[in-house]
Amino acid sequence: EVQLVESGGGLVQPGGSLRLSCSASGFTFSSYAMHWVRQAPGKGLEYVSAISSNGGSTYYADSVKGRFTISRDNSKNTLYLQMSSLRAEDTAVYYCVKDAVGQWLVFDYWGQGTLVTVSS
Amino acid sequence: DIQMTQSPSSLSASVGDRVTITCRASQSISSYLNWYQQKPGKAPKLLIYAASSLQSGVPSRFSGSGSGTDFTLTISSLQPEDFATYYCQQSYSTLDTFGQGTKLEIK
Repeated sequence: EVQLVESGGGLVQPGGSLRLSCSASGFTFSSYAMHWVRQAPGKGLEYVSAISSNGGSTYYADSVKGRFTISRDNSKNTLYLQMSSLRAEDTAVYYCVKDAVGQWLVFDYWGQGTLVTVSS
Repeated sequence: DIQMTQSPSSLSASVGDRVTITCRASQSISSYLNWYQQKPGKAPKLLIYAASSLQSGVPSRFSGSGSGTDFTLTISSLQPEDFATYYCQQSYSTLDTFGQGTKLEIK
């Protein structure tokens, strides 16, 4: 059974940093691109970042470019999102998401999400 | 950037109704269009991918159609568990992938 379990969310002050982790199991993690998608309270889904299966390619939404860094450790089956210079508008539930087999940007499994709150 | 526009933003319907939700892309995305269902407090769930392919385990009352810029999600006979928010998502590029959502409520 595929499982994606996010952790690392919490309350952080504006300008602060936080690192999210996503522990993956039930599939060959190193074979799949992975993504982060977020959802502000009461709002829609926003695509945040992607990383290729070997970590060699990354993508960022304009809203987080230069502030967030996506990475992965295939030996630990873990995806990361390092977030810095956090702003109030980064407050959201952050979902770790897996690509479907052979389908770039088709998200067949989602984690339960971890809440990041940026507030003083 | 590709803009995805869903209509309507909200919809009231009854159990047993046939419901259609529309998604329009600002440029052609071929068949790179997916639909997700999200219930309150839960992660989204993939329903339809590549415009019309039903994800494994999804009931056959859900169907998708369209290509190019205009797409539809149809629920043939609404069930109580179908009341949720539905999102379209383009997988043609990584820019601005999701529509704004359509909230389907019980009439």
